[in-house]
Amino acid sequence: QQPVQSPQAVILREGEDAVINCSSSKALYSVHWYRQKHGEAPIFLMILLKGGEQKGHDKISASFNEKKQQSSLYLTASQLSYSGTYFCGTYIYTGNQFYFGTGTSLTVIP
Amino acid sequence: DTEVTQTPKHLVMGMTNKKSLKCEQHMGHRAMYWYKQKAKKPPELMFVYSYEKLSINESVPSRFSPECPNSSLLNLHLHALQPEDSALYLCASSPNVPDRELHGYTFGSGTRLTVV
Repeated sequence: QQPVQSPQAVILREGEDAVINCSSSKALYSVHWYRQKHGEAPIFLMILLKGGEQKGHDKISASFNEKKQQSSLYLTASQLSYSGTYFCGTYIYTGNQFYFGTGTSLTVIP
Repeated sequence: DTEVTQTPKHLVMGMTNKKSLKCEQHMGHRAMYWYKQKAKKPPELMFVYSYEKLSINESVPSRFSPECPNSSLLNLHLHALQPEDSALYLCASSPNVPDRELHGYTFGSGTRLTVV
């Protein structure tokens, strides 16, 4: 029931864009996105609650396709500070459970 | 105060020791969580407390014993751990109980546990 993220890892140059996908085999109630830097706590980025919802702040945004049971995180004009591991987290309707995705390692180089 | 505080930051313990991890939040959050994270893996849920009551136990071995003395404090008591229990233990909190959560989780910086 753990959502699967793709790609597993990506390397970008500063200023490039990236998309991280999160897919679930179960119907989703909500999708969270977190970023975790090495040795640090995960930091909450945003939550999407409704199918079709799109959110964003600064140059990071996300969408939630309820029918496809997936969410995507968009990073535009990437900065060095965007480096880290990104996790989606999904709350499913049945089972009252929250699962973190498999994770995507993103490295931004100068 | 918008953070979750965990102590200690690092802990080395023998397999016969008893130790406790502590987590504190003063944001008035109603749900608190313990997660275990191995290197390069996502956090794995261990326990969930909602309104100070244990609501979810993810089949965690009894050598891990959670306790929620009050709405701000969460402990994890450790006894007779195995080397494979070495990991980063993360505490988190959220404003609402999981099935009504409209906000994200706030994580503490974790306790790096090594069992020798």
